[in-house]
Amino acid sequence: EPEVTQTPSHQVTQMGQEVILRCVPISNHLYFYWYRQILGQKVEFLVSFYNNEISEKSEIFDDQFSVERPDGSNFTLKIRSTKLEDSAMYFCASSRRQNYEQYFGPGTRLTVT
Amino acid sequence: AQTVTQSQPEMSVQEAETVTLSCTYDTSESNYYLFWYKQPPSRQMILVIRQEAYKQQNATENRFSVNFQKAAKSFSLKISDSQLGDTAMYFCAFIFRNQFYFGTGTSLTVIP
Repeated sequence: EPEVTQTPSHQVTQMGQEVILRCVPISNHLYFYWYRQILGQKVEFLVSFYNNEISEKSEIFDDQFSVERPDGSNFTLKIRSTKLEDSAMYFCASSRRQNYEQYFGPGTRLTVT
Repeated sequence: AQTVTQSQPEMSVQEAETVTLSCTYDTSESNYYLFWYKQPPSRQMILVIRQEAYKQQNATENRFSVNFQKAAKSFSLKISDSQLGDTAMYFCAFIFRNQFYFGTGTSLTVIP
């Protein structure tokens, strides 16, 4: 069964450094998403991406964040200058169509020290 | 604004028994989807069940079923014949403009 994959599973970085989180969505899916879950809290939407552009983004997704689909398979989230409060689990998800069920990856745990 | 409320932060159930997790939501939309996701200790988000708002019939997936009350904006999850592997965090979610709004979750423990 196809699944969403994410790398790395755990990333430790120093405050102020740039990080890139990588995702490979399910191959026939057209919509891609990033979510964040701070430890002990609910999952929060960051951004959705379709047809090589951002379609929706939340207030959390400020200028520090960017997304890209550099080739036909990868979908990346870049955080330019990490802050302590960026420490969280980051989930990538994909779906076949809009407003439909989304399939989540296993997450990347980001720790900013 | 779209909101999802799960009023039970923690629940427990004996193995093989039935448990119901509650969820309410608020929206002015008429056509939407509701979901339950499970997050075990591995923290992966796993889809449990989906309900389309235009369908009156409650969705079922094996031991999992929902009680969808559109007028009351209620969407509870019933787990029958609970198994140890059901121990997880359960999130109710509503989709609007292609983004999920999650509740705060219910931590379910299945007791052997």
